Amino acid sequence: GAVVSQHPSWVICKSGTSVKIECRSLDFQATTMFWYRQFPKQSLMLMATSNEGSKATYEQGVEKDKFLINHASLTLSTLTVTSAHPEDSSFYICSAKGLWADNQPQHFGDGTRLSIL
Amino acid sequence: SQQGEEDPQALSIQEGENATMNCSYKTSINNLQWYRQNSGRGLVHLILIRSNEREKHSGRLRVTLDTSKKSSSLLITASRAADTASYFCATGYSGGSNYKLTFGKGTLLTVNP
Repeated sequence: GAVVSQHPSWVICKSGTSVKIECRSLDFQATTMFWYRQFPKQSLMLMATSNEGSKATYEQGVEKDKFLINHASLTLSTLTVTSAHPEDSSFYICSAKGLWADNQPQHFGDGTRLSIL
Repeated sequence: SQQGEEDPQALSIQEGENATMNCSYKTSINNLQWYRQNSGRGLVHLILIRSNEREKHSGRLRVTLDTSKKSSSLLITASRAADTASYFCATGYSGGSNYKLTFGKGTLLTVNP
């Protein structure tokens, strides 16, 4: 089946650092990628949707300048948490889908656990 | 904003018993999907049911969808300890704009050996 690879799986860094998370579709063209955030024992909250070659669409309440999303190719999207602070510590998960795949399962990465000290 | 609401929030059963989880949603959907998540891990897709379907089976899993009541249920039969995980329903909807998948709050299932 389709595979989505997310990297890194775990990162610890100091407050003020910017952190980049990569999401790759390994065997299909991901025209759309989604970024979710999950706090402990809570559900996944959609942060933004990115379509290849265009600007990301952010959900209400998500700071565009804080969470920079780039979807420059059909196999790679990146999320950069800029000037990260302890409140940004969370589990970030990406997912991807191809064109005309609205009624198909979305493929998820294994997530990135971000800890800001 | 959250679309689905699962109940119960937590469910504890004995191995071999059946587990039923329910999901309600508020708006139109193209499909409804169920996912499983083991603690601290990514999501595993279980079943997708389209808005024009009423029931779907996959192994020990049975999903129903009632669009008139905006609700779905996931039944796991003959549960195993390995089924212990969080289960989420998610609604897929495009509605003229970007397609998005919105998750419910989840049910934490514990299957005791």
